Amino acid sequence: NAGVMQNPRHLVRRRGQEARLRCSPMKGHSHVYWYRQLPEEGLKFMVYLQKENIIDESGMPKERFSAEFPKEGPSILRIQQVVRGDSAAYFCASSRGPALYNEQFFGPGTRLTVL
Amino acid sequence: GQQLNQSPQSMFIQEGEDVSMNCTSSSIFNTWLWYKQEPGEGPVLLIALYKAGELTSNGRLTAQFGITRKDSFLNISASIPSDVGIYFCAGNTNAGKSTFGDGTTLTVKP
Repeated sequence: NAGVMQNPRHLVRRRGQEARLRCSPMKGHSHVYWYRQLPEEGLKFMVYLQKENIIDESGMPKERFSAEFPKEGPSILRIQQVVRGDSAAYFCASSRGPALYNEQFFGPGTRLTVL
Repeated sequence: GQQLNQSPQSMFIQEGEDVSMNCTSSSIFNTWLWYKQEPGEGPVLLIALYKAGELTSNGRLTAQFGITRKDSFLNISASIPSDVGIYFCAGNTNAGKSTFGDGTTLTVKP
């Protein structure tokens, strides 16, 4: 049973370009979470999705950021018109049910560098 | 928003020593979790705590869910070099998302 997969592992973009980060949850998991991590800091919650629905996006900036989890295919975190401050590691986690009582399994992350 | 204060920020210990780290919050959490993260990887769950006052062990690791639901500690006994990494506490509420502390970086000298 493969773990959570994220791609690409490393992504370099110039200011103003778009970044698309993909996350394939573990088999049987319908809950996906995106977190951002800056160097020497903990993970900061961005968005929680459950198949085709956004449950909680309170941690996601209102502009330039969007997330989706379509019925078929991976979850996508999209950052439009990237700026240097978007440089960070972005982690995806998945769980079988809501995180309160179900373990979240984390992917290896995508490291975004904005030049 | 909710915040977790994790301490210490870093620890340098000799192999064989015991380690203790803790997290406190002004908010109540329904679940406390402890993760370990190694360079270039995502966090891996070590221990999950679901009930106030609960004390749980996983090998050389022991963690407790504070009775007030606002704190938790993690102990590692008889540390070994492979314990090196960053340890994070995290708390969950009914909302389902996790709030993370800023981590404790552990260095173990052989």
